[in-house]
Amino acid sequence: GQQVMQIPQYQHVQEGEDFTTYCNSSTTLSNIQWYKQRPGGHPVFLIQLVKSGEVKKQKRLTFQFGEAKKNSSLHITATQTTDVGTYFCAGNSGYSTLTFGKGTMLLVSP
Amino acid sequence: DTEVTQTPKHLVMGMTNKKSLKCEQHMGHRAMYWYKQKAKKPPELMFVYSYEKLSINESVPSRFSPECPNSSLLNLHLHALQPEDSALYLCASSQAPLNYEQFFGPGTRLTVL
Repeated sequence: GQQVMQIPQYQHVQEGEDFTTYCNSSTTLSNIQWYKQRPGGHPVFLIQLVKSGEVKKQKRLTFQFGEAKKNSSLHITATQTTDVGTYFCAGNSGYSTLTFGKGTMLLVSP
Repeated sequence: DTEVTQTPKHLVMGMTNKKSLKCEQHMGHRAMYWYKQKAKKPPELMFVYSYEKLSINESVPSRFSPECPNSSLLNLHLHALQPEDSALYLCASSQAPLNYEQFFGPGTRLTVL
């Protein structure tokens, strides 16, 4: 079945440093979604990428979808303590349901 | 209203109890989902309802029984659970199944004693 790998599992940064999480699928994806889950919270949708090579920005967050539609990344510039949480990528392939990566837990020290 | 609500927030039950989790959305979404999430793990899909019909059952044990009374409501009936079923149970909805963003509820934190 479809597998979505995500690295790193965990990252601890100082406030103001940048952060990147990477997502890799074993199959070509029709789209990729990113979710953020705060500690004690529930996943919240951030963005969906559909096109090959697509890049989208949301303030300090930059999302990319690879040319082959098998990988994606989320980059946060100048992290803030409010960025703390676990970031999940999740992909659809054909008519399959959403498959979540294992997530990257981000800790930001002030 | 862009919210998915779930009740109860917390539930403690014994292995012989029968209980139900409830989920509601008023966004007119036609797909609803139950996920199970263990600590430090991603959400794990259990069931998908599409246009009020069960479309996906990810080989979940029969002690979990979903029900979709109407397009806004989704229930999960629990019976004879095991301690390893303790987890956060998340409900989500989307405009349609596949390729649409999912809106998650706050979840029910379930503890089975």
